[in-house]
Amino acid sequence: GAVVSQHPSWVICKSGTSVKIECRSLDFQATTMFWYRQFPKQSLMLMATSNEGSKATYEQGVEKDKFLINHASLTLSTLTVTSAHPEDSSFYICSARGGLAGRPWNEQYFGPGTRLTVT
Amino acid sequence: QKEVEQNSGPLSVPEGAIASLNCTYSDRGSQSFFWYRQYSGKSPELIMFIYSNGDKEDGRFTAQLNKASQYVSLLIRDSQPSDSATYLCAVNMATDKLIFGTGTRLQVFP
Repeated sequence: GAVVSQHPSWVICKSGTSVKIECRSLDFQATTMFWYRQFPKQSLMLMATSNEGSKATYEQGVEKDKFLINHASLTLSTLTVTSAHPEDSSFYICSARGGLAGRPWNEQYFGPGTRLTVT
Repeated sequence: QKEVEQNSGPLSVPEGAIASLNCTYSDRGSQSFFWYRQYSGKSPELIMFIYSNGDKEDGRFTAQLNKASQYVSLLIRDSQPSDSATYLCAVNMATDKLIFGTGTRLQVFP
């Protein structure tokens, strides 16, 4: 149980284009989803917190107009990187929190990540 | 001061030895603490979580928490080469965010 998928697993796009990344909780309903970014040899940095049916809460320094987050259902959140530039190249990881029975209420289940390369 | 601090390593231990990974955090209001393992190019996977002061054991892994000292550690007994990875300490802050340390790279050599 508690499987989170991401699609695509990797993507290469040209500078100035937009890229959409999907995050799905496959076997549970995720009330909250999180989006992280990880640059090489660095830790995960929280970008935003997404609650189903409401606007995402962005961390300081993360441009909400550049990183569009939509959490339309309890099993799907999307991150759209608009007008991508080479400095946006990174490993994007989503996680979902669902409060599964017998597990800590705040445990996050991570997706496999999406590697974005902007050329 | 960083919110969650870890020694970046690498920590090199021989196969069969005990690996000790340490983490300190700044927010005294933090309530829950997680250890994740991350292999290169992969996303993190949960190893252990701990809420209360003291030790928590799960197989070869033991998490230790000392809230007074704002310190959490992970011991790996009988280390195996397959344990070689980066270990991330994550702390659930009073703000409900999960803040990650930079990770400690562990190398277990045969």
